[in-house]
Amino acid sequence: KAGVTQTPRYLIKTRGQQVTLSCSPISGHRSVSWYQQTPGQGLQFLFEYFSETQRNKGNFPGRFSGRQFSNSRSEMNVSTLELGDSALYLCASSLGQGGTSGYTFGSGTRLTVV
Amino acid sequence: QKEVEQDPGPLSVPEGAIVSLNCTYSNSAFQYFMWYRQYSRKGPELLMYTYSSGNKEDGRFTAQVDKSSKYISLFIRDSQPSDSATYLCAMNQGAQKLVFGQGTRLTINP
Repeated sequence: KAGVTQTPRYLIKTRGQQVTLSCSPISGHRSVSWYQQTPGQGLQFLFEYFSETQRNKGNFPGRFSGRQFSNSRSEMNVSTLELGDSALYLCASSLGQGGTSGYTFGSGTRLTVV
Repeated sequence: QKEVEQDPGPLSVPEGAIVSLNCTYSNSAFQYFMWYRQYSRKGPELLMYTYSSGNKEDGRFTAQVDKSSKYISLFIRDSQPSDSATYLCAMNQGAQKLVFGQGTRLTINP
């Protein structure tokens, strides 16, 4: 059974650029959540999508956005990149909304903004 | 004050020791409690999942939840060098965002 797949694994971008990250959940999982992980703040919730609708949103600026497609695949976009956006971005999928049965995480996309 | 508090460590113990990892939380509405293990350069991996109060055992791992004290624990028996990783507690109140602790970095010395 394939796990959660995130692409790309590593990314280097320049301040002011935008970036799109991709996540393919486990087959049959309808919920996809995105987290930002940094050494200082730990894992912080960005947003959750379930059946193509954003169900929950964290406290991040509007530069961070996402969407989910009918096949449950999800993309996350960050516009006007700032140095502080450098982080590991993790995608997690679960069967139901809210991850009450536990999330399965991907290996993440390491974003470096220079 | 953070919703979930976890001592970041680092914690270093000899092989074979019993390890105790803990988290405290402030939101009494939390009902689902989880422990994740994260190796370097990998995403978190779900270790234990508990609903409400009580104990749950899985091999060398035991998770405990005390909702009256807002305190959860993970015990690792007969610790192995392969258990060296960062351990994250996480919790939510159902259909809401998962809130993570800061993570405790654990090293098991051979």
